[in-house]
Amino acid sequence: DVKVTQSSRYLVKRTGEKVFLECVQDMDHENMFWYRQDPGLGLRLIYFSYDVKMKEKGDIPEGYSVSREKKERFSLILESASTNQTSMYLCASTIGGSYEQYFGPGTRLTVT
Amino acid sequence: GDSVTQMEGPVTLSEEAFLTINCTYTATGYPSLFWYVQYPGEGLQLLLKATKADDKGSNKGFEATYRKETTSFHLEKGSVQVSDSAVYFCATGGNQGGKLIFGQGTELSVKP
Repeated sequence: DVKVTQSSRYLVKRTGEKVFLECVQDMDHENMFWYRQDPGLGLRLIYFSYDVKMKEKGDIPEGYSVSREKKERFSLILESASTNQTSMYLCASTIGGSYEQYFGPGTRLTVT
Repeated sequence: GDSVTQMEGPVTLSEEAFLTINCTYTATGYPSLFWYVQYPGEGLQLLLKATKADDKGSNKGFEATYRKETTSFHLEKGSVQVSDSAVYFCATGGNQGGKLIFGQGTELSVKP
């Protein structure tokens, strides 16, 4: 079974802090994705990556950056956390050419 | 661009009731269609999929048929259980360079 893990299930940070969310997949998938999930808005794509050191902006990249130095790891960075970034963050991965995404358990981030 | 519209929730049913969650999509060509499920406190899991018109995806008693003429992929189950309580997401992929487009999600609550 594909396993996608995220570094924290729950995280509380203060406004202005730099926040790192990490995602690791163990199936050698080429593609990795970061979403945020908010009630009534579904999943919105923040960034995705097709390969090591490659990244593409999704629908809501403002206030976020990403890093993919190794194929199995995709990090989401909040440069200066703000309260409107309080949300559930979901990571997903998929093999190249497939649309079937495998999700991690999510990180619920609260920014106070 | 591509989009997905789901019926709004929450949907509350009694155990053994029939379930329909409507999903319609807007997309060019012949996208793949998916239903994902998110149980409380977890990430999304693929429930079923269909890759071409008239295909029926099925899993765990759930079914959905790819209807190109009505651009729909409605989720159905003949007899729901309390354990089916979750949020259900419809998604389309195939025209977005590896990305999925999700609906806003429909929360289902099944009462004993």
